[in-house]
Amino acid sequence: EAGVTQFPSHSVIEKGQTVTLRCDPISGHDNLYWYRRVMGKEIKFLLHFVKESKQDESGMPNNRFLAERTGGTYSTLKVQPAELEDSGVYFCASSQNPSYNEQFFGPGTRLTVL
Amino acid sequence: GQNIDQPTEMTATEGAIVQINCTYQTSGFNGLFWYQQHAGEAPTFLSYNVLDGLEEKGRFSSFLSRSKGYSYLLLKELQMKDSASYLCAVRDNYGQNFVFGPGTRLSVLP
Repeated sequence: EAGVTQFPSHSVIEKGQTVTLRCDPISGHDNLYWYRRVMGKEIKFLLHFVKESKQDESGMPNNRFLAERTGGTYSTLKVQPAELEDSGVYFCASSQNPSYNEQFFGPGTRLTVL
Repeated sequence: GQNIDQPTEMTATEGAIVQINCTYQTSGFNGLFWYQQHAGEAPTFLSYNVLDGLEEKGRFSSFLSRSKGYSYLLLKELQMKDSASYLCAVRDNYGQNFVFGPGTRLSVLP
């Protein structure tokens, strides 16, 4: 069974540009989570989807970040316009329903904003 | 607030036993997870505790005391491949997100 996949693995962009990250969860997992780890800090929660609905987006840092999960399958996280402090590793995770099961993480997308 | 503490780095010798501690203060509690993360890779699940006590899984064991807000991960018969970061994460409410600790970087020396 395929695990959680993320694309791209690395992205280098300039400040002010737009970047879209993609996450494909494990098939059949209703719950999808976005996290990020900025340099030297712990992994921080961004938001949680249940199918196509946003269950909790309390961790989204500001309105430059937009997450979508149309159709309840894969999800995208768009950063527009990107700022220097957005650099870090963005992880996606998924879990079965009910969501108290363990979360399976993807390898992450390393974003560098210059 | 939410706060999870772990030692930043630990070093141990191949074949030895190491204990990685985690203390937490969160607004709610619905389980504590340990993940292993090798550099550049996805965090992978190691263990889960929701009740007090010890959970054993091969060379890895995890302990939880909810009254003390404390957990540890015990790794036995250390191997070189165990060199990685170990992340303590608390699920603070039912079905909600994880709150992660800073991770402990373990180096296993020959």
